[in-house]
Amino acid sequence: EVQLLESGGGLVQPGGSLRLSCAASGFTFSSYAMSWVRQAPGKGLEWVSGISASGDSTYYADSVKGRFTISRDNSKNTLYLQMNSLRAEDTAVYYCAKDSESFIGVGAITFDYWGQGTLVTVSS
Amino acid sequence: DVVMTQSPLSLPVSLGQPASISCRSSQSLVYSDGNTYLNWFQQRPGQSPRRLIYKVSNRDSGVPDRFSGSGSGTDFTLKISRVEAEDVGVYYCMQGTHWPPTFGQGTKVEIK
Repeated sequence: EVQLLESGGGLVQPGGSLRLSCAASGFTFSSYAMSWVRQAPGKGLEWVSGISASGDSTYYADSVKGRFTISRDNSKNTLYLQMNSLRAEDTAVYYCAKDSESFIGVGAITFDYWGQGTLVTVSS
Repeated sequence: DVVMTQSPLSLPVSLGQPASISCRSSQSLVYSDGNTYLNWFQQRPGQSPRRLIYKVSNRDSGVPDRFSGSGSGTDFTLKISRVEAEDVGVYYCMQGTHWPPTFGQGTKVEIK
């Protein structure tokens, strides 16, 4: 059974940093691209960042480019999102999502499994 | 970015009655490999999204056959043949053909 378990969320002040983790199990983690998708309170879904299966290709939404860094450790079956210079508008539940392909950045995207999410609140 | 527009945004339905959600894209969703990467997700209250349909009309394992997807090009539809209480939630379409992936605003299905 595929499982994705996010952690690392919490309350942080504007300008602060936070690192999210997503522990994967039930599939060959190193074979699939992964993404982070967020959902602000009461709002819809927004793709944030993605990484290829090998980790050598990364992509970011314009809203987080230069502030967030996605990475993965295939030996630990874990996906990460380092979030710096956080703003109030980054407040959201952050989900990790598994793709059905190894590549990223060129389309043919579908998110077949999602984690339960971790809440990030940016407030003073 | 490709804009995904869903309608209606709110859909009150009586139990046992059909429901239909429309999703339109600002560009054709046919990919270079001939597939159309249009997905539908269900988000029940307090839960994470769950994929129901991929590539327009393919149901995921465990998804009841009362859910069906159809459409082509820029115009897509999710249909629930007979709404049950467990179908309450928000439904999102998502295009994965063009980079970056983008979602519709969501359609809230509730029991009338």
